[in-house]
Amino acid sequence: SAVISQKPSRDICQRGTSLTIQCQVDSQVTMMFWYRQQPGQSLTLIATANQGSEATYESGFVIDKFPISRPNLTFSTLTVSNMSPEDSSIYLCSAEGASESHEQFFGPGTRLTVL
Amino acid sequence: GQQLNQSPQSMFIQEGEDVSMNCTSSSIFNTWLWYKQDPGEGPVLLIALYKAGELTSNGRLTAQFGITRKDSFLNISASIPSDVGIYFCASDRDDKIIFGKGTRLHILP
Repeated sequence: SAVISQKPSRDICQRGTSLTIQCQVDSQVTMMFWYRQQPGQSLTLIATANQGSEATYESGFVIDKFPISRPNLTFSTLTVSNMSPEDSSIYLCSAEGASESHEQFFGPGTRLTVL
Repeated sequence: GQQLNQSPQSMFIQEGEDVSMNCTSSSIFNTWLWYKQDPGEGPVLLIALYKAGELTSNGRLTAQFGITRKDSFLNISASIPSDVGIYFCASDRDDKIIFGKGTRLHILP
Protein backbone atom coordinates (compact mmCIF):
# COMPACT_ATOMS: atom_id res chain seq x y z
CA SER A 1 0.00 0.00 0.00
CA ALA A 2 1.04 3.59 -0.56
CA VAL A 3 1.46 6.13 2.23
CA ILE A 4 0.00 9.48 1.31
CA SER A 5 0.47 12.85 3.02
CA GLN A 6 -1.38 16.09 2.41
CA LYS A 7 -0.61 19.70 3.24
CA PRO A 8 -2.17 21.70 4.77
CA SER A 9 -4.26 19.49 7.04
CA ARG A 10 -6.74 22.32 7.48
CA ASP A 11 -7.16 25.97 6.60
CA ILE A 12 -9.58 28.81 7.03
CA CYS A 13 -9.71 31.10 4.03
CA GLN A 14 -11.43 34.28 2.96
CA ARG A 15 -13.96 34.39 0.18
CA GLY A 16 -12.39 35.13 -3.21
CA THR A 17 -8.95 33.75 -2.38
CA SER A 18 -7.34 30.53 -3.62
CA LEU A 19 -5.75 27.62 -1.77
CA THR A 20 -3.35 25.04 -3.13
CA ILE A 21 -3.34 21.61 -1.50
CA GLN A 22 -0.32 19.37 -1.88
CA CYS A 23 -0.34 15.58 -2.03
CA GLN A 24 2.79 13.47 -1.67
CA VAL A 25 2.99 9.68 -2.17
CA ASP A 26 5.84 7.62 -0.75
CA SER A 27 6.19 5.59 -3.95
CA GLN A 28 5.69 6.08 -7.65
CA VAL A 29 2.09 5.56 -8.67
CA THR A 30 0.39 5.75 -12.02
CA MET A 31 -3.02 6.98 -10.96
CA MET A 32 -3.77 9.82 -8.54
CA PHE A 33 -7.17 11.27 -7.80
CA TRP A 34 -8.74 14.21 -5.99
CA TYR A 35 -12.03 13.91 -4.11
CA ARG A 36 -14.30 16.25 -2.22
CA GLN A 37 -16.26 15.17 0.84
CA GLN A 38 -18.93 17.46 2.21
CA PRO A 39 -19.58 17.12 5.97
CA GLY A 40 -21.39 13.87 6.71
CA GLN A 41 -21.43 12.89 3.05
CA SER A 42 -19.75 10.40 0.78
CA LEU A 43 -16.77 11.05 -1.46
CA THR A 44 -17.21 12.73 -4.82
CA LEU A 45 -14.49 12.44 -7.44
CA ILE A 46 -13.28 15.81 -8.69
CA ALA A 47 -10.68 14.67 -11.21
CA THR A 48 -8.00 12.19 -12.16
CA ALA A 49 -4.54 13.77 -11.99
CA ASN A 50 -2.62 12.60 -15.06
CA GLN A 51 1.14 12.75 -15.08
CA GLY A 52 2.42 14.76 -18.02
CA SER A 53 -1.00 15.83 -19.29
CA GLU A 54 -4.08 17.74 -18.27
CA ALA A 55 -6.27 16.33 -15.52
CA THR A 56 -9.52 14.57 -16.41
CA TYR A 57 -12.43 16.28 -14.68
CA GLU A 58 -15.73 14.76 -13.65
CA SER A 59 -19.05 16.28 -14.52
CA GLY A 60 -19.64 19.43 -12.50
CA PHE A 61 -15.96 20.22 -11.96
CA VAL A 62 -13.89 22.47 -14.23
CA ILE A 63 -10.24 23.26 -14.62
CA ASP A 64 -10.66 26.98 -14.02
CA LYS A 65 -12.11 26.31 -10.57
CA PHE A 66 -9.96 23.32 -9.62
CA PRO A 67 -6.64 23.46 -11.49
CA ILE A 68 -4.53 20.37 -10.87
CA SER A 69 -0.84 19.73 -11.37
CA ARG A 70 0.92 16.36 -11.60
CA PRO A 71 4.59 17.04 -12.29
CA ASN A 72 5.79 13.51 -11.49
CA LEU A 73 4.66 10.07 -10.30
CA THR A 74 4.71 10.92 -6.57
CA PHE A 75 3.23 14.42 -6.30
CA SER A 76 0.11 16.37 -7.20
CA THR A 77 -1.55 19.63 -6.25
CA LEU A 78 -5.16 20.76 -6.29
CA THR A 79 -6.00 24.45 -6.22
CA VAL A 80 -9.42 25.65 -5.12
CA SER A 81 -9.79 28.98 -6.89
CA ASN A 82 -11.89 32.04 -6.11
CA MET A 83 -13.34 30.32 -3.08
CA SER A 84 -16.83 30.76 -1.72
CA PRO A 85 -18.40 29.30 1.44
CA GLU A 86 -19.87 26.49 -0.71
CA ASP A 87 -16.31 25.24 -1.23
CA SER A 88 -16.00 24.45 2.48
CA SER A 89 -15.33 20.74 2.51
CA ILE A 90 -12.73 18.05 3.03
CA TYR A 91 -10.47 17.53 0.03
CA LEU A 92 -8.85 14.13 -0.26
CA CYS A 93 -6.04 12.89 -2.44
CA SER A 94 -5.77 9.22 -3.36
CA ALA A 95 -3.46 6.95 -5.31
CA GLU A 96 -4.15 3.63 -6.91
CA GLY A 97 -2.18 0.67 -5.64
CA ALA A 98 -1.06 -2.07 -7.94
CA SER A 99 -1.81 -1.30 -11.57
CA GLU A 100 -5.46 -1.90 -12.45
CA SER A 101 -6.23 -3.19 -8.97
CA HIS A 102 -8.74 -0.36 -8.39
CA GLU A 103 -7.58 -0.33 -4.78
CA GLN A 104 -7.14 3.30 -3.83
CA PHE A 105 -5.26 4.58 -0.80
CA PHE A 106 -6.17 7.93 0.68
CA GLY A 107 -4.39 10.80 2.31
CA PRO A 108 -5.70 12.19 5.59
CA GLY A 109 -7.56 15.00 3.86
CA THR A 110 -7.49 18.79 3.98
CA ARG A 111 -10.34 20.41 5.86
CA LEU A 112 -11.16 23.73 4.21
CA THR A 113 -13.41 26.37 5.71
CA VAL A 114 -14.26 29.43 3.63
CA LEU A 115 -15.62 32.46 5.44
CA GLY B 1 -26.54 5.99 -13.66
CA GLN B 2 -24.51 3.47 -11.71
CA GLN B 3 -25.16 3.96 -8.01
CA LEU B 4 -24.25 2.03 -4.93
CA ASN B 5 -27.06 1.77 -2.41
CA GLN B 6 -25.64 1.20 1.02
CA SER B 7 -27.65 0.18 4.06
CA PRO B 8 -28.31 0.77 6.79
CA GLN B 9 -27.47 4.46 6.88
CA SER B 10 -26.56 4.21 10.54
CA MET B 11 -26.47 1.59 13.26
CA PHE B 12 -26.47 1.75 17.04
CA ILE B 13 -25.24 -1.44 18.66
CA GLN B 14 -23.92 -2.72 21.95
CA GLU B 15 -20.25 -3.55 22.30
CA GLY B 16 -19.72 -7.23 21.56
CA GLU B 17 -22.58 -7.49 19.05
CA ASP B 18 -22.07 -8.58 15.48
CA VAL B 19 -22.69 -6.07 12.69
CA SER B 20 -23.88 -6.58 9.14
CA MET B 21 -24.13 -4.00 6.38
CA ASN B 22 -24.57 -4.29 2.66
CA CYS B 23 -24.26 -2.55 -0.64
CA THR B 24 -26.42 -3.15 -3.71
CA SER B 25 -26.65 -1.85 -7.23
CA SER B 26 -28.69 -2.36 -10.36
CA SER B 27 -25.42 -2.62 -12.32
CA ILE B 28 -22.82 -5.36 -12.45
CA PHE B 29 -19.40 -4.59 -11.04
CA ASN B 30 -16.04 -6.37 -11.23
CA THR B 31 -14.69 -5.12 -7.91
CA TRP B 32 -16.07 -4.47 -4.46
CA LEU B 33 -14.08 -2.50 -1.92
CA TRP B 34 -14.88 -1.79 1.70
CA TYR B 35 -13.38 1.25 3.45
CA LYS B 36 -13.57 2.62 6.97
CA GLN B 37 -13.23 6.31 7.76
CA ASP B 38 -12.45 7.60 11.23
CA PRO B 39 -13.21 11.24 12.11
CA GLY B 40 -10.62 13.60 10.66
CA GLU B 41 -8.97 10.88 8.60
CA GLY B 42 -9.07 9.60 5.07
CA PRO B 43 -10.78 6.29 4.27
CA VAL B 44 -8.73 3.17 4.94
CA LEU B 45 -9.14 0.11 2.74
CA LEU B 46 -10.38 -2.88 4.75
CA ILE B 47 -11.14 -5.58 2.18
CA ALA B 48 -11.00 -5.86 -1.61
CA LEU B 49 -13.05 -8.42 -3.54
CA TYR B 50 -12.51 -9.34 -7.19
CA LYS B 51 -14.50 -12.49 -7.92
CA ALA B 52 -18.21 -13.28 -7.73
CA GLY B 53 -18.88 -15.42 -4.68
CA GLU B 54 -15.56 -14.55 -3.09
CA LEU B 55 -15.60 -14.51 0.71
CA THR B 56 -12.68 -12.75 2.38
CA SER B 57 -11.80 -12.14 6.02
CA ASN B 58 -9.57 -9.58 7.67
CA GLY B 59 -9.52 -10.28 11.40
CA ARG B 60 -13.04 -9.79 12.73
CA LEU B 61 -14.21 -8.48 9.36
CA THR B 62 -15.70 -10.66 6.64
CA ALA B 63 -16.91 -9.47 3.26
CA GLN B 64 -18.49 -11.26 0.33
CA PHE B 65 -18.82 -10.45 -3.37
CA GLY B 66 -22.38 -11.40 -4.36
CA ILE B 67 -22.93 -14.12 -6.93
CA THR B 68 -24.93 -11.75 -9.15
CA ARG B 69 -22.03 -9.21 -8.99
CA LYS B 70 -24.57 -6.58 -7.98
CA ASP B 71 -24.07 -6.66 -4.25
CA SER B 72 -21.67 -7.14 -1.37
CA PHE B 73 -21.91 -7.36 2.38
CA LEU B 74 -19.55 -6.63 5.25
CA ASN B 75 -19.83 -8.31 8.63
CA ILE B 76 -18.02 -7.32 11.81
CA SER B 77 -17.99 -9.86 14.60
CA ALA B 78 -17.79 -9.05 18.32
CA SER B 79 -17.68 -5.28 17.86
CA ILE B 80 -15.31 -3.18 19.96
CA PRO B 81 -15.24 0.59 20.58
CA SER B 82 -12.62 1.25 17.90
CA ASP B 83 -15.01 -0.11 15.25
CA VAL B 84 -16.89 3.18 15.47
CA GLY B 85 -16.72 5.12 12.22
CA ILE B 86 -18.19 5.32 8.75
CA TYR B 87 -17.98 2.29 6.49
CA PHE B 88 -18.10 2.87 2.73
CA CYS B 89 -18.56 0.34 -0.01
CA ALA B 90 -16.99 1.23 -3.34
CA SER B 91 -16.70 -0.27 -6.77
CA ASP B 92 -15.09 0.35 -10.12
CA ARG B 93 -16.57 2.36 -12.96
CA ASP B 94 -14.54 3.25 -16.05
CA ASP B 95 -11.15 3.00 -14.28
CA LYS B 96 -12.41 5.07 -11.38
CA ILE B 97 -14.16 4.04 -8.21
CA ILE B 98 -17.52 5.21 -6.93
CA PHE B 99 -18.61 5.20 -3.32
CA GLY B 100 -21.77 4.35 -1.47
CA LYS B 101 -23.17 6.91 0.96
CA GLY B 102 -21.75 5.07 3.95
CA THR B 103 -22.97 3.29 7.07
CA ARG B 104 -22.26 5.16 10.27
CA LEU B 105 -21.58 2.73 13.12
CA HIS B 106 -22.18 3.82 16.72
CA ILE B 107 -21.37 1.61 19.68
CA LEU B 108 -23.28 2.14 22.88
CA PRO B 109 -21.36 1.82 26.14
